[in-house]
Amino acid sequence: EVQLVESGGGLVQPGGSLRLSCAASGFTFTTYWMDWVRQAPGKGLEWVANINQDGSENYYVDSVKGRFTVSRDNAKNSVYLQMNSLRVEDTAVYYCARSALDTSPYWGQGILVTVSS
Amino acid sequence: QSVLTQPPSASGTPGQRVTISCSGGSSNIGSKPVYWYQHLPGTAPKLLIHTDNQRPSGVPDRISGSKSGTSASLAISGLQSEDEADYYCVAWDVSLNFAVFGGGTQLTVL
Repeated sequence: EVQLVESGGGLVQPGGSLRLSCAASGFTFTTYWMDWVRQAPGKGLEWVANINQDGSENYYVDSVKGRFTVSRDNAKNSVYLQMNSLRVEDTAVYYCARSALDTSPYWGQGILVTVSS
Repeated sequence: QSVLTQPPSASGTPGQRVTISCSGGSSNIGSKPVYWYQHLPGTAPKLLIHTDNQRPSGVPDRISGSKSGTSASLAISGLQSEDEADYYCVAWDVSLNFAVFGGGTQLTVL
């Protein structure tokens, strides 16, 4: 059974940092791109970042470039999102997804990140 | 303001057919595949359509997708109460170099 389990969310002050983790199981992790997608309260889905199979290629939405870093550890079947210089507008439920733009994506249940003083 | 434009809301009665539009440009819908997701609050989004018009296994054939030029559409026929949800189109944008979602359409079954 495919599983994606996010962790590391919580409350952080503006300007602070947080690292999200996503543990994958039930599929061959090394054959898939991995994505992070978020949904702010009362807003729509927003794609955040992705990373290729060996971690050599990644892309970011403009609003997080220079602040967020996506990485993966294929030995641990995990993908990470390091979030620095957090802003109030980064408050959202963050979803880890296996190849969100593909024929057979799979999404985690999401984890809440709240940026507030 | 989203790169892909969807109507914020749509509605229909049980049994009716509704369509949801998604308008983009040459750098996204016009040159890349479109995907459609159904999302219920508090749950993981569910893929309904991939590669413009292909249904994943398990998605009923009353749901269909189409694309023409820089616009795409999702059609749901035989509307059911369980279809009440938010619907999103998404595509890669080759100019921006990231994926772009539509703003989402909230479907109400009257």
